[in-house]
Amino acid sequence: NAGVTQTPKFQVLKTGQSMTLQCAQDMNHEYMSWYRQDPGMGLRLIHYSVGAGITDQGEVPNGYNVSRSTTEDFPLRLLSAAPSQTSVYFCASSYSGGASAFFGQGTRLTVV
Amino acid sequence: DAKTTQPPSMDCAEGRAANLPCNHSTISGNEYVYWYRQIHSQGPQYIIHGLKNNETNEMASLIITEDRKSSTLILPHATLRDTAVYYCIVEGWGGYQKVTFGTGTKLQVIP
Repeated sequence: NAGVTQTPKFQVLKTGQSMTLQCAQDMNHEYMSWYRQDPGMGLRLIHYSVGAGITDQGEVPNGYNVSRSTTEDFPLRLLSAAPSQTSVYFCASSYSGGASAFFGQGTRLTVV
Repeated sequence: DAKTTQPPSMDCAEGRAANLPCNHSTISGNEYVYWYRQIHSQGPQYIIHGLKNNETNEMASLIITEDRKSSTLILPHATLRDTAVYYCIVEGWGGYQKVTFGTGTKLQVIP
């Protein structure tokens, strides 16, 4: 049972490039979320989804897009990378709104 | 506004109980208290949650005051592997899962 899988683990982008961070879960969870964590800070919510076809913005959505075409996958797209998006990105899933969340191991993104 | 307040850091001797406090004075009746921890730079790990009764599992115990305005996470016999940042979170059940993390408490277990 893999849980929540994020790819890639590390990525370096140039300013202005676009890319997609992948997140997949094999637990049939309805709820999925993306967070970013900057050095010395807690996690901030970027986008979340309560089921396939349904997404909504979190605390810091600007510069990011998401879609949820399947229950398993919740990719995060950076449209035009900026140095301010240098961060560690975590994906999480849970089976219901109040249940405990399972987190992936993170994607460490550097934008130069 | 932050829903919870935690001390930024704590030390605990190895083998002793670690008691991590959390204030959540504005908690509402349908909101749960969750605890997660983050070891080094790994993804956060769920520990325990509760509504108003004390809870215990294989990892920890959660003590919630009667007025629900504060809680304490107890690691009964702390080990070096328990060194981590511990997050106390208040969220409602049902609706959208929007777990919001603050900066937590950095617990250092000392040999």
